[in-house]
Amino acid sequence: AQSVTQLGSHVSVSEGALVLLRCNYSSSVPPYLFWYVQYPNQGLQLLLKYTTGATLVKGINGFEAEFKKSETSFHLTKPSAHMSDAAEYFCAVSDQSGGSYIPTFGRGTSLIVHP
Amino acid sequence: EPEVTQTPSHQVTQMGQEVILRCVPISNHLYFYWYRQILGQKVEFLVSFYNNEISEKSEIFDDQFSVERPDGSNFTLKIRSTKLEDSAMYFCASAGEGATEAFFGQGTRLTVV
Repeated sequence: AQSVTQLGSHVSVSEGALVLLRCNYSSSVPPYLFWYVQYPNQGLQLLLKYTTGATLVKGINGFEAEFKKSETSFHLTKPSAHMSDAAEYFCAVSDQSGGSYIPTFGRGTSLIVHP
Repeated sequence: EPEVTQTPSHQVTQMGQEVILRCVPISNHLYFYWYRQILGQKVEFLVSFYNNEISEKSEIFDDQFSVERPDGSNFTLKIRSTKLEDSAMYFCASAGEGATEAFFGQGTRLTVV
């Protein structure tokens, strides 16, 4: 079974400050890991993903995340927050157990950016 | 760029009525999914569909729910007798063979009154 824990339902930062959204996962096999962003009243947009290879992955809008197997973590970071980054962020894991692909989502973290 | 499309974007229905939510997955994809997101809560898996049958379903996906791929392009979610607690955003997603990610539609907001 796979699961995702996102620490902090809300994260508040000032514009220009570092963004750090935490995600820890549980998976019985090597996982695929994802971050999705959801802007108000919109759908889920893929920010970035880790499947295999390089553990530091870069995504859209200046975000990146690092897969740390020893810590079972996949934290999302951005060096400098912008007002337009305010949104809900979801971490997801898939381990393709049983041959099918079913992403499991965390509860989400709402990113608030102050001027 | 290919995308998953969902219709309608918003549907209001009376409690006890049947609703059908429609999705057009990306054309060469083989795996199809429905998720829901109750307001303010996490995105929850409902069901996955492959090779014209349900491959997995969650405990949420009870006898009130059904899915169908009626014509090789659409993928529908039917709720037979809606309850107030069915009010949520419903997302359709699809993935290709050997894919490492699913592509999500924009969602249908269902409001049961």
